[in-house]
Amino acid sequence: NAGVTQTPKFQVLKTGQSMTLQCAQDMNHEYMSWYRQDPGMGLRLIHYSVGAGITDQGEVPNGYNVSRSTTEDFPLRLLSAAPSQTSVYFCASRGTGVNTEAFFGQGTRLTVV
Amino acid sequence: AQSVAQPEDQVNVAEGNPLTVKCTYSVSGNPYLFWYVQYPNRGLQFLLKYITGDNLVKGSYGFEAEFNKSQTSFHLKKPSALVSDSALYFCAVWGGSNYKLTFGKGTLLTVNP
Repeated sequence: NAGVTQTPKFQVLKTGQSMTLQCAQDMNHEYMSWYRQDPGMGLRLIHYSVGAGITDQGEVPNGYNVSRSTTEDFPLRLLSAAPSQTSVYFCASRGTGVNTEAFFGQGTRLTVV
Repeated sequence: AQSVAQPEDQVNVAEGNPLTVKCTYSVSGNPYLFWYVQYPNRGLQFLLKYITGDNLVKGSYGFEAEFNKSQTSFHLKKPSALVSDSALYFCAVWGGSNYKLTFGKGTLLTVNP
């Protein structure tokens, strides 16, 4: 059981480039989320999805797009990378029950130069 | 809006001593509370959760947490710290009526030999 899989693990982009961070889960979870982790800031929610075809913005959505065409996949797109998007990105998934915890991927360390 | 506060950026304890990592929360309705641990260059691992029932919750690796509704707190505790407990600890809250899991900024625990 792979859980939540993120790719790539590391990425360096030039300012203005675009890329997609991949996230896949094999637990049939309805809820999926993207967070970014910055020193001293904790984890901040970028976008989330409550099911296939349904997405919504978190607290720091600017510069990012998401889509959810299947239950399993929840890619995060950087449209035009900026140095402020240098961060570690985590994808998480969670079931629908109130007593379920979130499962996290191993993270993507992104550097924008 | 829901929020989590971890008032200590760092906690230092000696091996064998008890440890406490503090967390307070704000949420509408019943809180669902979680603790996660992050080791260097890794994703977040679930430690324990409070959904309902007993105010003292036991989790992985000998950790426990005490839910206090009147003080809106959910402090993480361990009776005897190990050097291997040194990591970054995150408290999180879910209000149940929305789909967002909100994290605190994290507390770096260092256990000294």
